[in-house]
Amino acid sequence: AQTVTQSQPEMSVQEAETVTLSCTYDTSENNYYLFWYKQPPSRQMILVIRQEAYKQQNATENRFSVNFQKAAKSFSLKISDSQLGDTAMYFCAFHRNNNDMRFGAGTRLTVKP
Amino acid sequence: EPEVTQTPSHQVTQMGQEVILRCVPISNHLYFYWYRQILGQKVEFLVSFYNNEISEKSEIFDDQFSVERPDGSNFTLKIRSTKLEDSAMYFCASSEAGVTEAFFGQGTRLTVV
Repeated sequence: AQTVTQSQPEMSVQEAETVTLSCTYDTSENNYYLFWYKQPPSRQMILVIRQEAYKQQNATENRFSVNFQKAAKSFSLKISDSQLGDTAMYFCAFHRNNNDMRFGAGTRLTVKP
Repeated sequence: EPEVTQTPSHQVTQMGQEVILRCVPISNHLYFYWYRQILGQKVEFLVSFYNNEISEKSEIFDDQFSVERPDGSNFTLKIRSTKLEDSAMYFCASSEAGVTEAFFGQGTRLTVV
């Protein structure tokens, strides 16, 4: 079974600073996809960034980037220039072919003014 | 921009009653999912659906639950004989292919009293 572990239940960062959220996963698959989703207080699930396991290059989306270490099964999210609107729960997710997406327990991020 | 739509946004039901949660996935998507999130906890996979049948389900998805795509556009989750512990946020999601990102609806908050 695939498991996703987020070891930081809560984190905080000052506005404009950089923060890194950790995620590790366990799988025997070679082809899979990894995602970070954001869940603001509205509780909507919003895709932040995705990474295909077969790509060595780390995905980047504006202020959001990942550090994907396939051998270590690690997929951390870096948020640069943090903004107040980044305050949310962040879920790491693992998705393999044609099956369910498994989520980590989430990290509650608070951006302080 | 196309989106996944869920109705109702909030449903209150008496213990033992049946509820049907409705979802309209994005029109060209082929894979559909239900997830639930008990307040303050992680997002849990319930079931995935493809080609008019269940492709995978979790241990949570027991005989109390069923899914249906009755008319080619709606995707429903039926919970028979609801229990207090079924109170949660239920998210519908759809994806174009099995491994592209899933787009989530706004969720239905189910409260069983």
